Amino acid sequence: EVQLVESGGGVVQPGGSLRLSCIGSGFTFSSHEMSWVRQAPGKGLEWVSWISSSGTPLNYADSVKGRFAISRDNAKHSLYLQINSLRAEDTAIYYCVRDRYSAGDALDIWGQGTMVTVSS
Amino acid sequence: QSALTQPASVSGSLGQSITISCTGTSGDIGFYNFVSWYQQHPGNAPRLIIHEVTNRPSGVSNRFSGSKSGNTASLTISGLQAEDETDYYCSSWTTRGTYVFGTGTKVTVL
Repeated sequence: EVQLVESGGGVVQPGGSLRLSCIGSGFTFSSHEMSWVRQAPGKGLEWVSWISSSGTPLNYADSVKGRFAISRDNAKHSLYLQINSLRAEDTAIYYCVRDRYSAGDALDIWGQGTMVTVSS
Repeated sequence: QSALTQPASVSGSLGQSITISCTGTSGDIGFYNFVSWYQQHPGNAPRLIIHEVTNRPSGVSNRFSGSKSGNTASLTISGLQAEDETDYYCSSWTTRGTYVFGTGTKVTVL
């Protein structure tokens, strides 16, 4: 079964940091571009970051540029998101998502999400 | 990057057809045929239902169809069923090398 499983979410104070992780299984992880997408409570989907199959290039939404860092370890079938200088507006479910075949194609496999809550 | 524009809500009766629009710019929908649509039931992760404007992944009902004209894409749901009542999002790849999502549409089955 093709699957993505996220971990690392939690409650963090404003200004704090977290590292989200995602493990892929059931497919050739190293062949796919990957993204992080978030959804604030009761709100719509917001694309956060994208990384190519090899690790570069990568890209970020303007709202997180300079604060978030995406990376991957293909040997461990893992995707990461380092999130720093957290703000209240970063509170959301963070989904790990697979690009279907190529960059920009479509996001075809979604994890169940990990919740990040920024609160003092 | 501004979100793509979708109507907040669309409704239709059982068995009827509805269409959800998704308006972008010449830098996203108007430039690429990388338009996709996602269905999201409450408490669940989104599910891909249309990719590359018109293509349905395996297992998705043929009642869902997509199209595009200029900077606007559309999702049509025909033969509306009760289980179609939920949220739908469009998305496009952009010339900046990013994804952008639509504002989301809540479909109500009357």
